[in-house]
Amino acid sequence: AQKVTQAQTEISVVEKEDVTLDCVYETRDTTYYLFWYKQPPSGELVFLIRRNSFDEQNEISGRYSWNFQKSTSSFNFTITASQVVDSAVYFCALSEGTDSGYALNFGKGTSLLVTP
Amino acid sequence: EAGVTQFPSHSVIEKGQTVTLRCDPISGHDNLYWYRRVMGKEIKFLLHFVKESKQDESGMPNNRFLAERTGGTYSTLKVQPAELEDSGVYFCASSQDSWSGANVLTFGAGSRLTVL
Repeated sequence: AQKVTQAQTEISVVEKEDVTLDCVYETRDTTYYLFWYKQPPSGELVFLIRRNSFDEQNEISGRYSWNFQKSTSSFNFTITASQVVDSAVYFCALSEGTDSGYALNFGKGTSLLVTP
Repeated sequence: EAGVTQFPSHSVIEKGQTVTLRCDPISGHDNLYWYRRVMGKEIKFLLHFVKESKQDESGMPNNRFLAERTGGTYSTLKVQPAELEDSGVYFCASSQDSWSGANVLTFGAGSRLTVL
């Protein structure tokens, strides 16, 4: 069963628009970690954020913000005033500690295109 | 510092041939991981080395895949013989921390494998 679902395959916005990338996860563990990675055209996965399951505080980093809600098993990512450089594929990932060891379980990714 | 380096960036081979992918982790990182993304699917964990030892190889698809990390530095992933379904992007990642769900991985740009 898929543990991380990113329902949006592709999103296209115009520069300066706000955009939210959805991530829904599934786990039975009480301790787990959630991540967002960005894959720009150069190909490498760039770490953006890590949250643990005991910290539901929302986080803001510049134009980026993350909304973690355990009640809905969601960890959504919002980019405010998007820019062309934000164009990339964004992956949400879950790390548990049970059967899968601590391997990252990735969603399928959301491809974001920001046009001028 | 140099990031995670992978070689080759793209390899095209015919079914039945052998391919060896190489990964150079960040210097000093004991933990090295291989992941794979098959077209249209999620990025999936293959295996994890701690220094030269295989800590977790639960994600290796079958015995046509052989990963090594002699000396605990760079790693190779050999596919022999390659099949069509092996096509995808193979990512290598490394981390300094011990094996835990909180690990932040630094990924390479991936090696794209195309099997014809």
